Amino acid sequence: SAVISQKPSRDICQRGTSLTIQCQVDSQVTMMFWYRQQPGQSLTLIATANQGSEATYESGFVIDKFPISRPNLTFSTLTVSNMSPEDSSIYLCSVGGGRIHEQYFGPGTRLTVT
Amino acid sequence: DAKTTQPPSMDCAEGRAANLPCNHSTISGNEYVYWYRQIHSQGPQYIIHGLKNNETNEMASLIITEDRKSSTLILPHATLRDTAVYYCIVRVSEDDKIIFGKGTRLHILP
Repeated sequence: SAVISQKPSRDICQRGTSLTIQCQVDSQVTMMFWYRQQPGQSLTLIATANQGSEATYESGFVIDKFPISRPNLTFSTLTVSNMSPEDSSIYLCSVGGGRIHEQYFGPGTRLTVT
Repeated sequence: DAKTTQPPSMDCAEGRAANLPCNHSTISGNEYVYWYRQIHSQGPQYIIHGLKNNETNEMASLIITEDRKSSTLILPHATLRDTAVYYCIVRVSEDDKIIFGKGTRLHILP
């Protein structure tokens, strides 16, 4: 299994600012993903973080709003840019792939934008 | 869009078997059926997966119909700690992204 940590665990931010969320895994992983879970909703995939190349974004999500980095096989960041109250959500990092069927999820970052 | 259909909620008495259905009528021959659950305020947790045959592990059993158009997750002796949202997912491989549907909110009643 993979142990995933996220920083920060929660934050309250002002409208118009940006927040960078870190995801650290205790072992090298093939695939890393970022999800958003709005209050009372299911998880929505934002993007796949590719090591050494640009992230692959899902429909409705763009790099200018959610820039992602993945400098190596154990670390990724997601930035939520120019935040508005609609960005208030839990953001989750997930890892998997490489012949491992389970996909593991981090504890999430609870973001509130005021 | 999610490729599965699940009831929005279910109740089950503590100690009884919880049977959670899932329809995936458009599943392809190379797609697996996965089940995850999300306990309140936690990240989703893998439960089980299967391709054609029924599967069992320490958490649950997965029954897949012969035509593979539906499946049932069975929690044999439900406890209050099994209260969660359960997601049925289909995907081609372990490298494929997971798209979550709305899931089934399972309430275990004492």
